[in-house]
Amino acid sequence: KQEVTQIPAALSVPEGENLVLNCSFTDSAIYNLQWFRQDPGKGLTSLLLIQSSQREQTSGRLNASLDKSSGRSTLYIAASQPGDSATYLCAAGIYNQGGKLIFGQGTELSVKP
Amino acid sequence: GAGVSQSPSNKVTEKGKDVELRCDPISGHTALYWYRQSLGQGLEFLIYFQGNSAPDKSGLPSDRFSAERTGGSVSTLTIQRTQQEDSAVYLCASSLNSGGETQYFGPGTRLLVL
Repeated sequence: KQEVTQIPAALSVPEGENLVLNCSFTDSAIYNLQWFRQDPGKGLTSLLLIQSSQREQTSGRLNASLDKSSGRSTLYIAASQPGDSATYLCAAGIYNQGGKLIFGQGTELSVKP
Repeated sequence: GAGVSQSPSNKVTEKGKDVELRCDPISGHTALYWYRQSLGQGLEFLIYFQGNSAPDKSGLPSDRFSAERTGGSVSTLTIQRTQQEDSAVYLCASSLNSGGETQYFGPGTRLLVL
């Protein structure tokens, strides 16, 4: 059974810092690894999707990496801004099960001005 | 184009009543997923559809929960005889197909059972 874990559960940083959010998963039989952002009281916004054959994806100040062999993914946020404050969720898309997503518990990020 | 929409956005009901939650996926998306987000359990998978078929219902918590999808588009999640532990945010997502494409989420329906 796939389990996804995110560390840390919460993180507070000053504006301008570079930071790394960690995600680990127990079963390497995945379609993909997807990172989401969730603002309070809102739905999920897709940030990056890394297919199982890929090593990383980049979008603006965000870079996500995937290492299937070690069961890890990281989300790197460069030059953090107060508007980056949100909960970040990673989810593993399960192979041969319709790509259903198994989510971690999330990292709550606060970027202080 | 329009994103995933869900209705109602909020629903308050009394214990024992039935509720229906609706999801309109992105046009052209053949796969549709239901998830539930609650304080104690985080975000958990409930059921997914490929077209009108539901190959995986393994996440439905009990036989009080059911879902259907018609015309390869709109889906309805029905909860019968609601219980207080059903209180949660119910999220719907759609993707081009069920082969590991990006899932796009709706804003959710916040259900409160009194």
